[in-house]
Order: sequence, then structure tokens, then C-alpha cells
Amino acid sequence: AQSVSQHNHHVILSEAASLELGCNYSYGGTVNLFWYVQYPGQHLQLLLKYFSGDPLVKGIKGFEAEFIKSKFSFNLRKPSVQWSDTAEYFCAVNSGTYKYIFGTGTRLKVLA
Amino acid sequence: SAVISQKPSRDICQRGTSLTIQCQVDSQVTMMFWYRQQPGQSLTLIATANQGSEATYESGFVIDKFPISRPNLTFSTLTVSNLSPEDSSIYLCSVMLGTEAFFGQGTRLTVV
Repeated sequence: AQSVSQHNHHVILSEAASLELGCNYSYGGTVNLFWYVQYPGQHLQLLLKYFSGDPLVKGIKGFEAEFIKSKFSFNLRKPSVQWSDTAEYFCAVNSGTYKYIFGTGTRLKVLA
Repeated sequence: SAVISQKPSRDICQRGTSLTIQCQVDSQVTMMFWYRQQPGQSLTLIATANQGSEATYESGFVIDKFPISRPNLTFSTLTVSNLSPEDSSIYLCSVMLGTEAFFGQGTRLTVV
């Protein structure tokens, strides 16, 4: 069965620190990969997605993620976080259907 | 994009009662999805609601416990029946437009 693992459940960083959130998935076929973000009191919203092509994808607000097929990973990065990046981040996978498999989420707190 | 309104945003219910959650979308969509997010866990798909037909439930979820209505292309309800404390979760409505999923703000249910 498909699964998604997010290794960091809680991350605390100071402003301007670099961020990397890990995401690994298990699925043998072609997958689409997503990162969603949920700011306090707001909807889940799409941060970035990968379907094919360049494995380094850029999303909104300076976030990027790299798909490494050999490692079944899709880690999220940002070179310099801001206080406003405080949120919960979810990695998700689907195999081209409507079914998403989500990770358990990572709560990021950025200290001003 | 899609704007999804969910009601109520939160509720506290007595065990043995039921809660009905409403989901309204600002555009017509073929499929609507209901997810559950239990404390500390990932989002799990409960069922897919198609207009004019019975909902399709995922493994571990049954219609008697989670009856769903889909009277038109912009609206759906999820009822969580015979509540127990284990049903305390966040319930989210979702739609897909193209390859992107959009989510409501969620309904936080606490069963006492």
C-alpha cells in the first residue's frame, strides 16, 4: 500500500535559518507529489507540486522541493525562513487518480 | 481555484448523538471528498461523493457510520453517527479542479 512518511513532526527555527523538511513515499509506480501548507486558522493550500520533468520544483513564497526518484523522496526546502512561514506542512502523493495519501504533517514554528 | 465553505467550524457533541457537516463549493464539481484528520495523524480519505449516486467509501469506513448526501454539484453533507470519543477529529471537505485539490477549513469535532 502507498504510504508517506514525514520524519520531522515539530521543527523550531529562528528567522533566516534554512529549512529542509523530509518526505519519503512508498509506491512502485509513477506518482505525483505535493506539498500543502496550512497556516494557523486557514485552509490547506497547495505550496508546490511535481508531476514530471525537472525534479527541482519551485513553489510559492520561495519554497522549493526536489524529487529524488532513487530515494523515493520529495524534500521541501527554503533557504531563509520568515516568521510568517509558521504553519503545518503536509507532503502528499497520488498515483494519477483522485486519491491522495498524506503524511502526518510537520509543524514549523519560526521564532522572530 | 475553488472556495469551499464548511459548517460548522467546530462543535462539541455528546456521545451517542450525530453531527452533520455541510460543505458548499463555489463551482460545480463532479466529485467531492471527505477526509478525517485524527489528532497527530495524517489526513485519511473517508469517502468520495458523486452527485446522483451513492458515495464510495474507503476501507475502514462504512455508510451507517458516515452517511453522505450529495444533492447537487456544489453541495455535500457528511454525518458522523452514534458519536464516541474516538470520533473526535477534524473533518475536511475537498474538491479537485484539474490536478489540484482544494480544501475547506475543516470541522473540529470534540465528543464528550
